[in-house]
Amino acid sequence: GENVEQHPSTLSVQEGDSAVIKCTYSDSASNYFPWYKQELGKRPQLIIDIRSNVGEKKDQRIAVTLNKTAKHFSLHITETQPEDSAVYFCAASTNDYKLSFGAGTTVTVRA
Amino acid sequence: DAGITQSPRHKVTETGTPVTLRCHQTENHRYMYWYRQDPGHGLRLIHYSYGVKDTDKGEVSDGYSVSRSKTEDFLLTLESATSSQTSVYFCAISGHRDNQPQHFGDGTRLSIL
Repeated sequence: GENVEQHPSTLSVQEGDSAVIKCTYSDSASNYFPWYKQELGKRPQLIIDIRSNVGEKKDQRIAVTLNKTAKHFSLHITETQPEDSAVYFCAASTNDYKLSFGAGTTVTVRA
Repeated sequence: DAGITQSPRHKVTETGTPVTLRCHQTENHRYMYWYRQDPGHGLRLIHYSYGVKDTDKGEVSDGYSVSRSKTEDFLLTLESATSSQTSVYFCAISGHRDNQPQHFGDGTRLSIL
């Protein structure tokens, strides 16, 4: 099955700086890559997703890039704010509707 | 927020007892999923359903069973709970087209003593 690895496991950034989280996947048939944000004690919430026919997608301060050849994708958060502090999960899926998640990255934004 | 309700939200029970968790949706979505979340493992798929009475196993299905008798309800049962099944359980739903985004419920915190 699909194996998704996520790095780093923890990330501390100064407010206003950028944060980058990287994920690799094993199944070359994977074609859908969502990112979820989970605040403490809350549900995971979808923040952005990308499909394999697109190399980059941006939504305000958040962007995701995909390199299908290398089988990795990344989340970029610019101008970080305290409310960006959370656990972020990447995931990958083929057309079978099943998501395989990375282990998560705990992001702390220092004021 | 997606119309997903999980019940109960918290439960403490003893080893060997049966436990049933319920996920109820008001979105009329075809796909429903059960995940467990443990530190260091992210979210792992237990079982999922692609229609009424249509279910399949995920990566950590041992010790769990599911049922879906109505579009809106997806039940997860632990026939004989073990301490290793202490976890936070999330239900998710998605639409009928390929790789529609999955949206999660608020979770059930289950402790097995």
